[in-house]
Amino acid sequence: DARVTQTPRDKVTEMGQEVTMRCQPILGHNTVFWYRQTMMQGLELLAYFRNRAPLDDSGMPKDRFSAEMPDATLATLKIQPSEPRDSAVYFCASHSGFAGQPQHFGDGTRLSIL
Amino acid sequence: KNEVEQSPQNLTAQEGEFITINCSYSVGISALHWLQQHPGGGIVSLFMLSSGKKKHGRLIATINIQEKHSSLHITASHPRDSAVYICAVRTKEGSQGNLIFGKGTKLSVKP
Repeated sequence: DARVTQTPRDKVTEMGQEVTMRCQPILGHNTVFWYRQTMMQGLELLAYFRNRAPLDDSGMPKDRFSAEMPDATLATLKIQPSEPRDSAVYFCASHSGFAGQPQHFGDGTRLSIL
Repeated sequence: KNEVEQSPQNLTAQEGEFITINCSYSVGISALHWLQQHPGGGIVSLFMLSSGKKKHGRLIATINIQEKHSSLHITASHPRDSAVYICAVRTKEGSQGNLIFGKGTKLSVKP
């Protein structure tokens, strides 16, 4: 079964460190989403790309977060510098681009900033 | 006020019971999703619907566009159905536009 792959699965680091999360979308999917899930806010959209171009990153704190798609098989989400309030589970999802198809989610990266 | 509201927030049921989870939304949508998140954290898309009703096994999802309301039903519930069920709506901006999520309903089915 094709699936979205996220790495790392878990990340614990100290405040101020740079964090990079990676996502490999399903081959052939042209839309990639980054979501954040916290106990307080639930799931929130951070950014999404179509055909590697950023379409909406309004949910992302611009001063410390950046999202890129260096190529069609890799999406990255970086936090620099990280803060304890960034602790959350970050999900990547990809979509085929065809109407009526669901988004496919990765297993998430559980991030803890100490 | 949240744009997507789910009820109940928590639900405990006995095995075999019929379960209903509700979702109301206040924005214009092109589709509504029901997602399942297991205790391990993985998220699976159960249904995507824009009208009427869909059925998959013991799961049934309905949507009333005029009333901006959707329900997820589980018949003959089983402990393995224990999970968080999340309603999400896709706004009308673009064909794969933003998903706005409800806070989820945590379901526990007791044997």
